[in-house]
Amino acid sequence: NAGVTQTPKFRILKIGQSMTLQCAQDMNHNYMYWYRQDPGMGLKLIYYSVGAGITDKGEVPNGYNVSRSTTEDFPLRLELAAPSQTSVYFCASLGGSGNTIYFGEGSWLTVV
Amino acid sequence: DAKTTQPTSMDCAEGRAANLPCNHSTISGNEYVYWYRQIHSQGPQYIIHGLKNNETNEMASLIITEDRKSSTLILPHATLRDTAVYYCIVRASAGGTSYGKLTFGQGTILTVHP
Repeated sequence: NAGVTQTPKFRILKIGQSMTLQCAQDMNHNYMYWYRQDPGMGLKLIYYSVGAGITDKGEVPNGYNVSRSTTEDFPLRLELAAPSQTSVYFCASLGGSGNTIYFGEGSWLTVV
Repeated sequence: DAKTTQPTSMDCAEGRAANLPCNHSTISGNEYVYWYRQIHSQGPQYIIHGLKNNETNEMASLIITEDRKSSTLILPHATLRDTAVYYCIVRASAGGTSYGKLTFGQGTILTVHP
């Protein structure tokens, strides 16, 4: 198992550009999450999904979109990048017999 | 979904037990309590989780009060490498309006000193 894989690890965007952060898990987990973490702050939930075809907003969804067409993938889309979206983004999945949460290694995004 | 309250920061001497409290007074009967920690900007690391009973693994012990309104994470012999932010989170119950939602609070900054 590769666990939760995020790409890219680092990206610099210009204001107004769009991009997609990819997240994939190979553990057949139903639950998946996207968080952002600003410097010195805690994790804030952007969007989450309880299964393929089902997504819901978290605490800070504005400026982002998600889709969940398969169990494995949960991409996060930034349509018009803004400096306020400079952050570290973590994808996570939850499942397994132990109901454990698995995190990806993070994607560092800078908007200039 | 149940909210959690943790102290902002705590100190612990190396080799001593670190006891990190968490209040989750609005927890529902079938909601799990999870503990995670985060070192610098790494992804959060799983420590332990529980429902009702006390739990122990190779990293820590989790003590949940009988009314389930609070819990304590115990690191039995803290080392300098245990310095991190510790998060107590509650997973929303199945069938609720926030089914599957997983929200992190601010966490506790634990500093282990020599």
